[in-house]
Amino acid sequence: GQQLNQSPQSMFIQEGEDVSMNCTSSSIFNTWLWYKQDPGEGPVLLIALYKAGELTSNGRLTAQFGITRKDSFLNISASIPSDVGIYFCAGGSQGNLIFGKGTKLSVKP
Amino acid sequence: KAGVTQTPRYLIKTRGQQVTLSCSPISGHRSVSWYQQTPGQGLQFLFEYFSETQRNKGNFPGRFSGRQFSNSRSEMNVSTLELGDSALYLCASSAGQGARYGYTFGSGTRLTVV
Repeated sequence: GQQLNQSPQSMFIQEGEDVSMNCTSSSIFNTWLWYKQDPGEGPVLLIALYKAGELTSNGRLTAQFGITRKDSFLNISASIPSDVGIYFCAGGSQGNLIFGKGTKLSVKP
Repeated sequence: KAGVTQTPRYLIKTRGQQVTLSCSPISGHRSVSWYQQTPGQGLQFLFEYFSETQRNKGNFPGRFSGRQFSNSRSEMNVSTLELGDSALYLCASSAGQGARYGYTFGSGTRLTVV
C-alpha cells in the first residue's frame, strides 16, 4: 500500500534555529497537508498544498509541494518554544489521507 | 463556528466489551473520516463517510464499524475489544470528499482497554 517516509523522526531545536523536515512517497499525490499535534489534542492543519511546485507560507512556516508530486518539505524559521510538538505530513488523492509517522520537535536541553 | 466535537474524551473498557464513539463535524461539512493513532503505527485510516455512505475503508477487521446520520454526525463502534485497540481515535471532517478539501480534526477519544 501507499507509504510516506517522513524524516527526521525527531529533532532538538534551540530557540532561534531554523528547522527542516520532509516527506517522500513512492506514490503520486494531488494534495499535501502539514499538521501539528500537541499532546492530548488532535492534529491541527498548518499548510495545505494543491499543486506541484507550489510554495506556501504561513507565518514562519513554509512548505513546498515537490515537482514530482511524490515529496514535500516543511521549514520553520526562527523557532520558538511553542513550536515543540509532533509534525505530520499527509498526502492525499481522491481517497483518504495517508500520514507520515511524524517528526517530533523537542527543545534542546 | 464550532470545531469537530468528539465524545467522550476518555474511555476505559474491559477486553471483550464493545464501545461506541461519537463525532459531530463542523456545521456544513458532509464528510467524516476516522483514524486510529497509536505510538507504534501512527495515524491509520479506518473509514470515511460522505452523505451517510461509507466511501472508503482502511485495513481494519470487521470489529470496527461506523455509520453516518443525516445530520452528518458519525459514530464508530468497536466490538469484542482487544488490548491492542487501546489508542487515540480521531475524527476529521471535511466540506467535501477527498483530500483537496482539507481535513479538520477533533481532539480525539482516548480509549484504554484493560
